[in-house]
Amino acid sequence: DIVMTQSPDSLAVSLGEGATIYCKSSQSVLYTSNNKNYLAWYQQKPGQPPKLLIYWASIRASGVPDRFSGSGSGTDFTLTISSLQAEDVALYYCQQYYSSPYTFGQGTKLEIK
Amino acid sequence: QVQLVQSGAEVKKPGASVKVSCKTSGYTFTDYFIHWVRQAPGQGLEWMGWINPNNGGTSYAQKFQGRVTMTRDTSISTAYMELNRLTFDDTAVYYCARPDCSSTSCRNWFDPWGQGTLVTVSS
Repeated sequence: DIVMTQSPDSLAVSLGEGATIYCKSSQSVLYTSNNKNYLAWYQQKPGQPPKLLIYWASIRASGVPDRFSGSGSGTDFTLTISSLQAEDVALYYCQQYYSSPYTFGQGTKLEIK
Repeated sequence: QVQLVQSGAEVKKPGASVKVSCKTSGYTFTDYFIHWVRQAPGQGLEWMGWINPNNGGTSYAQKFQGRVTMTRDTSISTAYMELNRLTFDDTAVYYCARPDCSSTSCRNWFDPWGQGTLVTVSS
């Protein structure tokens, strides 16, 4: 199984400041035949299901604000929020869909400083 | 719009079984797989498996093999997840979720998700 490890486990950032969350996979999730990274990011608020933010490591899902961006390739990925808004307080998860079982990181809790 | 609506919360005793439903609308049910993911209290997300509503084919995470059964009823566009021999560790919110599928393949990111069904195992 591919193990996904996020860092940090929690993060406190001031409103308007940037936030970066890291995700590392135990093996590459880059499929060389199409040069795509099989990596997604989700946001989860209390009492709600996860919401897709990013797929193919860097493509924003429909309706996701452009302050959210994803980058990285192979085994190392980042989710960046350029200017933190109050509504961004949530848990964030990365997920690999390169191979079954489709595994998630342990989550990063983002709070306001 | 695409919606996945799950059945209500359940309380079960250890050793019992639970069956959670996921009623879909807003798209052709047989065109998209349905995956199940669970989340124990205060914990992360754990993928359980998928069902292909077109032919009933399934694939389960090894951890749940022999204990989980995923089925569907195409007449009412609903998928089901049944988990047997429940233990206290099965207390969790269970989600159904839809991947992104074309006529030939699926990309297994999940959007949308059902609202979740809390299953509590308690004696």
